[in-house]
Amino acid sequence: EAQVTQNPRYLITVTGKKLTVTCSQNMNHEYMSWYRQDPGLGLRQIYYSMNVEVTDKGDVPEGYKVSRKEKRNFPLILESPSPNQTSLYFCASRDRARTEAFFGQGTRLTVV
Amino acid sequence: GENVEQHPSTLSVQEGDSAVIKCTYSDSASNYFPWYKQELGKRPQLIIDIRSNVGEKKDQRIAVTLNKTAKHFSLHITETQPEDSAVYFCAAHAGGTSYGKLTFGQGTILTVHP
Repeated sequence: EAQVTQNPRYLITVTGKKLTVTCSQNMNHEYMSWYRQDPGLGLRQIYYSMNVEVTDKGDVPEGYKVSRKEKRNFPLILESPSPNQTSLYFCASRDRARTEAFFGQGTRLTVV
Repeated sequence: GENVEQHPSTLSVQEGDSAVIKCTYSDSASNYFPWYKQELGKRPQLIIDIRSNVGEKKDQRIAVTLNKTAKHFSLHITETQPEDSAVYFCAAHAGGTSYGKLTFGQGTILTVHP
């Protein structure tokens, strides 16, 4: 089954404790992205990647890191999480630039 | 960079009425405009999209129109049903130096009353 898989689905952590949210897709898509969703603000792009080892900042990259060492994986790293990073996070992948984006199930992150 | 504005933020209609959601974008190089529907507690899913060389596209009760000159595009849902209740997002795919970036609007909460 074609899918984008994120883990974990839910995470509660403390300020400053490094964490990684994983994202994996099995569709051989070139494009992958991370978004955060906050009420009233829609889906804001954090980082995106157009292929292995090619990444670029989205609209809200501060406090986040990404890497794209393999085509299927695109982890999101929070080196020192802060409470303002509490949000719902989505990973998405696309075959090419102007095609449908497939989203993961979402990760609900709470930083206390 | 690209900026996408979406209106209204909430929309309430009676079953059977039409619903219209409007978006404007800032980057004239943007060339692909998808719409996503997100049901409560679920992930966004594509419902329709339009490319910049097309002015209108229809799929059953859903249609999207694009005005490149004015840089705005709209989603039209006819004969609304309670199962259309969801959050709808428009998006614009950037061209130029930000090629590959997909920017979303703020979302519209659509409620269809039976």
